[in-house]
Amino acid sequence: GAVVSQHPSWVICKSGTSVKIECRSLDFQATTMFWYRQFPKQSLMLMATSNEGSKATYEQGVEKDKFLINHASLTLSTLTVTSAHPEDSSFYICSARGRGTPRQNGELFFGEGSRLTVL
Amino acid sequence: QKEVEQNSGPLSVPEGAIASLNCTYSDRGSQSFFWYRQYSGKSPELIMFIYSNGDKEDGRFTAQLNKASQYVSLLIRDSQPSDSATYLCAVGANAGGTSYGKLTFGQGTILTVHP
Repeated sequence: GAVVSQHPSWVICKSGTSVKIECRSLDFQATTMFWYRQFPKQSLMLMATSNEGSKATYEQGVEKDKFLINHASLTLSTLTVTSAHPEDSSFYICSARGRGTPRQNGELFFGEGSRLTVL
Repeated sequence: QKEVEQNSGPLSVPEGAIASLNCTYSDRGSQSFFWYRQYSGKSPELIMFIYSNGDKEDGRFTAQLNKASQYVSLLIRDSQPSDSATYLCAVGANAGGTSYGKLTFGQGTILTVHP
């Protein structure tokens, strides 16, 4: 199956710094990527939808100035957590759907996730 | 009110038994339904997807969808200890629409299969 890779898989940073998480589709062109956040023992919450070459669409309650999303190419989307605080500590997961991915097969490809800890 | 709700867990079944996981959703316009398995600290892994009313079987897994009742379930036959995980129900828009891939997840049900 198609592969979506996230990097880094885990990161620890100091409060106030910015952290960039990359999501790459390795063997298909990802026209749309979705960024989710998962707090411990909770489900995945969609943060934003990222379409290649256009601005991301953020879900209600998600600060677009704090969570910067860039989808500059068909294989890469990045999420930057700016001025991170301890409450931003979470598991961030991307998923992708691609050009040519048969919609009928229902597959959405998830990255491995990135665990962010803000001290 | 939550948009996607799953039966409260945790659910514990003996090895070899049938595990039944349930999910209801509030948006009648939902068209695509997914069951994911998530191990602790890992990203979700797709188990089943279903678009049409009725049953869909894949190996030991059967997904059941009833759009009139806004209900989707997952049955795991011959449960194995390796099936122990959190199971997430996810609901999406029309499979052929531009919103395809935008999923709303339930809170998850923890399943434990004991030997």
